[in-house]
Formats: sequence, C-alpha cells, structure tokens
Amino acid sequence: AAGVIQSPRHLIKEKRETATLKCYPIPRHDTVYWYQQGPGQDPQFLISFYEKMQSDKGSIPDRFSAQQFSDYHSELNMSSLELGDSALYFCASSLRQGASRTGELFFGEGSRLTVL
Amino acid sequence: AQKVTQAQTEISVVEKEDVTLDCVYETRDTTYYLFWYKQPPSGELVFLIRRNSFDEQNEISGRYSWNFQKSTSSFNFTITASQVVDSAVYFCALSEAGSGGYNKLIFGAGTRLAVHP
Repeated sequence: AAGVIQSPRHLIKEKRETATLKCYPIPRHDTVYWYQQGPGQDPQFLISFYEKMQSDKGSIPDRFSAQQFSDYHSELNMSSLELGDSALYFCASSLRQGASRTGELFFGEGSRLTVL
Repeated sequence: AQKVTQAQTEISVVEKEDVTLDCVYETRDTTYYLFWYKQPPSGELVFLIRRNSFDEQNEISGRYSWNFQKSTSSFNFTITASQVVDSAVYFCALSEAGSGGYNKLIFGAGTRLAVHP
C-alpha cells in the first residue's frame, strides 16, 4: 500500500539559506501534518492542513511557512535557516472523516535537515 | 492542558528480560486516543498501537502488551523476552479532539531502550 512520501530524505544547507520540504500524503487523505524532531527530542507539532486550509498551528517559527496544494501534497518552506533548525521533519497524513472516528495517523519516513 | 510523561529516560536490559515502559497522560477530554510509536536508529516512526479512551481492554500482540488504566491515566507498554532488535526510542502520544480531528499528537519525551546480548 502507498505510504506518505517525503522528499528530500536528507538536506544540507548553510545558515541563512532557504529550504523546502515536500510531503505527498497517502492517496485520498485530505489532511497533512508537519512535525519537527530535534536531536534527542520528541516530535513537536508544527502545523496542519485540511482541504488546503490551515487547520491547526503549533510551535512553527515565523520564518517557516507551509501550504497544501490542490493535489493535497504539502510543502514546508523554511527561510533564514538557523543552526537550531537542524532536525528530522516528519509529515503525516490522515483522512479527516476517518480520523475523527479512529484517530489514525500515518507518518512518512522523515526529512533530515542539517544546517551548517 | 494535555501532557504526556514518560518518566524513564533510558532503560537498559539484557536480552530475554521483560521490560515495561511507563506512560502517564493528562487530558481534560473524555474522548481521546493514546498511541505508542517505536523509533529505531534509522529514524522513522513505527506505529505500534492506538487505543481510544473508551476501550480499557488490555491488548497483546506477540511479545508486546499494553495496559491501559484510566483510573491512573496510564498506558504502559511491556515487551516480553526482549530482543536486541527492540533497541529503539519508544514514544507514547496522546491526541484529543481538535479542529483537525483526533490526529494532533502530543508526544512524551520518549524512553530509550537498549537491549544487550
């Protein structure tokens, strides 16, 4: 079965550069979530989208922005990168109707960003 | 506010020992979901179990078992006869009803399990 696809899997950037991460949800899933996991930390919720609209917001820095497109894929844009942005970024998807009943969430394998 | 506490930062056991990972949660909702995820050194989050707040039945899956007790707000995870491949960080997580359904997860800090031969 198709899973959540994230790209790139690894990314190395310099300070003050910009990075874009992409997430392709499971087909027919309408909701995507972004999580950030710093070294030795637990995943922290950043932002979520349902039907291309932001549905919830967590601890996402102002330097970051995200959107969900008409094909339901999502992109996380990070500007003015800082050393502290080095982390594993997870995308997850769900089907909202199903989610409201079952709470089922599927994670991608993550994109590892290293800021030098 | 919701919160998940995994008091055990690291656990080290010898192969074939049983090990229990503790998870205590806080929530004001009556409907919520609890999860356990495994994160091996490769980094991906591997889903282990999801439990809704109305189902307090314990569950067993092979060497894994889960003990959900609402009275103590705990959702503990036991690995029986541990193996080296069980070495990983294990996260307990909670989700409550929100604008995005029940899928905004609050994770505990994780417990790093090391199983030695």
